Amino acid sequence: DQQVKQNSPSLSVQEGRISILNCDYTNSMFDYFLWYKKYPAEGPTFLISISSIKDKNEDGRFTVFLNKSAKHLSLHIVPSQPGDSAVYFCASPQRNAGNMLTFGGGTRLMVKP
Amino acid sequence: NAGVTQTPKFQVLKTGQSMTLQCAQDMNHNSMYWYRQDPGMGLRLIYYSASEGTTDKGEVPNGYNVSRLNKREFSLRLESAAPSQTSVYFCASSGSSYNEQFFGPGTRLTVL
Repeated sequence: DQQVKQNSPSLSVQEGRISILNCDYTNSMFDYFLWYKKYPAEGPTFLISISSIKDKNEDGRFTVFLNKSAKHLSLHIVPSQPGDSAVYFCASPQRNAGNMLTFGGGTRLMVKP
Repeated sequence: NAGVTQTPKFQVLKTGQSMTLQCAQDMNHNSMYWYRQDPGMGLRLIYYSASEGTTDKGEVPNGYNVSRLNKREFSLRLESAAPSQTSVYFCASSGSSYNEQFFGPGTRLTVL
């Protein structure tokens, strides 16, 4: 059973508009969430994170929102730029398993000029 | 700082052949991880090493072995490769925060 799910495999937005990427989780023990960005033929790179004691974290154009009661988080990118086109993964560390990251399946974002 | 490096970048094997994927990090991190990425499935953990001298199985360890050679290096070995092991393999490391992990560029492995 997937503990972290990204139900939208792809998303296409116009340059300058907002991109909203969604992630749902089932494990109520998760206490920290990360978003990674991945370009083709490269490893994932860390983008932004949020602790479960917060409901929002902002870093420049990127904001992550956490709704613990719904077990849902979202990544907002405003304004979207063509260079943001990549695959985005949400993930959470499992504290009882060496802090291994449990990943969602990823969402491919395409930002059109 | 090179961060996390992996060799080789690409490899093609025949079924039954063996090989070792190498990973090294220069960030003085205690924990190191091996993941595989398959289409539509995100990344799944194969093995991890919480500290030098220890290794543990992850979600998908069957068919693999690992060695934590020292604090810097963590290798992944396929003793008898199978087509189901065709994947992209990523090594990662993390420091004392135990939250953020830093990834290498990946090894694309094809088993024929």
